[in-house]
Amino acid sequence: SQELEQSPQSLIVQEGKNLTINCTSSKTLYGLYWYKQKYGEGLIFLMMLQKGGEEKSHEKITAKLDEKKQQSSLHITASQPSHAGIYLCGADYTGTASKLTFGTGTRLQVTL
Amino acid sequence: EADIYQTPRYLVIGTGKKITLECSQTMGHDKMYWYQQDPGMELHLIHYSYGVNSTEKGDLSSESTVSRIRTEHFPLTLESARPSHTSQYLCASSEEGAEQPQHFGDGTRLSIL
Repeated sequence: SQELEQSPQSLIVQEGKNLTINCTSSKTLYGLYWYKQKYGEGLIFLMMLQKGGEEKSHEKITAKLDEKKQQSSLHITASQPSHAGIYLCGADYTGTASKLTFGTGTRLQVTL
Repeated sequence: EADIYQTPRYLVIGTGKKITLECSQTMGHDKMYWYQQDPGMELHLIHYSYGVNSTEKGDLSSESTVSRIRTEHFPLTLESARPSHTSQYLCASSEEGAEQPQHFGDGTRLSIL
């Protein structure tokens, strides 16, 4: 969707390195959801950030929402092979959390 | 782990066949969704439901149809499959209310020959 741009499209990092994935919206966000997908499988919910801007952390993953920029970042600290997969952001433009618009994803590989 | 199940996981079938993709959830969620995802592409919402006897078309036009006769069950049907229907189909459900995340099944990878 051109409403929601993710960058980079793909990323290869060495185990132990930090990385950041960005998700930028061209429209006002009510909420922003981060998911992880392994190839050929469904999406696993990671975090949800609310309109107004906030920051959440879970284990080694931190997500932030910058309301001014309408941009969210997902930061992984000390990456591990288990972090490999496709990270997708989903935007709620209606405030109902129902009809989400998804980005094209960032494919992350973690090398040993 | 969310309790939402999709069957079959993989299906290879010939053109013209009628197909039903099953999706069931045991969480009692009122909202359910079907997404279509092509390789390397974003998910597109094709159908959603806010409860029993409620179904709506999503943003991406689809020749498929859905039904919601029971809360836990949201099957998707293709009356006559075509090669253009080849894709991954993902089912999701969520609780009522804003900020409730959608929980996804593992998907059905459909190939029409």
